[in-house]
Amino acid sequence: DGGITQSPKYLFRKEGQNVTLSCEQNLNHDAMYWYRQDPGQGLRLIYYSQIVNDFQKGDIAEGYSVSREKKESFPLTVTSAQKNPTAFYLCASSISPASTDTQYFGPGTRLTVL
Amino acid sequence: AQKITQTQPGMFVQEKEAVTLDCTYDTSDQSYGLFWYKQPSSGEMIFLIYQGSYDEQNATEGRYSLNFQKARKSANLVISASQLGDSAMYFCAMREGRSSGGSNYKLTFGKGTLLTVNP
Repeated sequence: DGGITQSPKYLFRKEGQNVTLSCEQNLNHDAMYWYRQDPGQGLRLIYYSQIVNDFQKGDIAEGYSVSREKKESFPLTVTSAQKNPTAFYLCASSISPASTDTQYFGPGTRLTVL
Repeated sequence: AQKITQTQPGMFVQEKEAVTLDCTYDTSDQSYGLFWYKQPSSGEMIFLIYQGSYDEQNATEGRYSLNFQKARKSANLVISASQLGDSAMYFCAMREGRSSGGSNYKLTFGKGTLLTVNP
């Protein structure tokens, strides 16, 4: 079955630690995205990647980093510089970055800072 | 100004009845896409339906239809024959074209409408 997987489902982090959230897709999509969702809010874009070895900052990139070494994988690192990292993180992909292409989402990772 | 406005924080509907979830948008682009997603309590964002700005016909996908009124900049989601499993948050989102000068890569989301289907 084609789809997007994210791991772990739940993640707990101590203050000052970096953590990495995994996102893998087997849909052969070129474009991948990371969004953050806070309670009662819609999603906000953190980073996106149009193609392997390329990525761009979204609206709220501060305190986050990404890599895109393989087409299938787009991991997100939440660094200690992120002031308020507790949130629900969703990864998405689309066939291309075109505005008409649907973004499909993974199941999400819920990050809690202790 | 908000790009996507969903004015109904919560809606209730009886099972088997139809319900309309409102969405208005703001863009100066001629080319854009409008999307509706469903988010159940599990958290996954499930794609429901898409409407392109140049599409003349309203989009339909099974029990979902999109009432697209371009002049009014509205893209309301209609769910027919509601089922208990339709209870979830529903988000309207827009993706603008390149001519906006901003990124056309992101989806801009509304704040969502919580739909509850009563038996």
